[in-house]
Amino acid sequence: QKEVEQNSGPLSVPEGAIASLNCTYSDRGSQSFFWYRQYSGKSPELIMFIYSNGDKEDGRFTAQLNKASQYVSLLIRDSQPSDSATYLCAVLTTDSWGKFQFGAGTQVVVTP
Amino acid sequence: DGGITQSPKYLFRKEGQNVTLSCEQNLNHDAMYWYRQDPGQGLRLIYYSQIVNDFQKGDIAEGYSVSREKKESFPLTVTSAQKNPTAFYLCASKVANSITEAFFGQGTRLTVV
Repeated sequence: QKEVEQNSGPLSVPEGAIASLNCTYSDRGSQSFFWYRQYSGKSPELIMFIYSNGDKEDGRFTAQLNKASQYVSLLIRDSQPSDSATYLCAVLTTDSWGKFQFGAGTQVVVTP
Repeated sequence: DGGITQSPKYLFRKEGQNVTLSCEQNLNHDAMYWYRQDPGQGLRLIYYSQIVNDFQKGDIAEGYSVSREKKESFPLTVTSAQKNPTAFYLCASKVANSITEAFFGQGTRLTVV
């Protein structure tokens, strides 16, 4: 079983609509959770992080965390063509060395 | 400006050669990481280090080696034992023992010729 799982997509979203991305993780003691955006051929850049149950909003992005269900999600409101990218879910494990484990990523395609 | 610098951006390796990828950071981070990314796939952890002169194997360490002689530097050597080294390699760093995010370098694309 993979430690961090995401739907690979592609997730096709009309411009202006909401994109919903999901991520599940296996380490129940994981401490914090991150969403990175990665454009093709580029390195990942941080969109949001969350470490408490509930919602966290930043502009058009909302991260949702449910530790009991071991589930974290990202909503992108008013999707724009510039949001077309691969979104990586990352989990900071309880391993004392602070390992980041990444999901395989969900490709989002925003169509005009 | 603070950040992580990877070099070179593109690297070509002949069969049987060892090559070393450079990663330098001036963020004063203790923790550093190397990831490999294959087309259409996520990041897989090769090695990580929380402190100078110590490091741990990640999920795919075979065929790779690292050193951590200085806090700001974490070079990765891709040895001839790595049979399929063509990939995008990413170096990252973060504050050790914290729940904060990792910052990434711009990556090195390695191709076997």
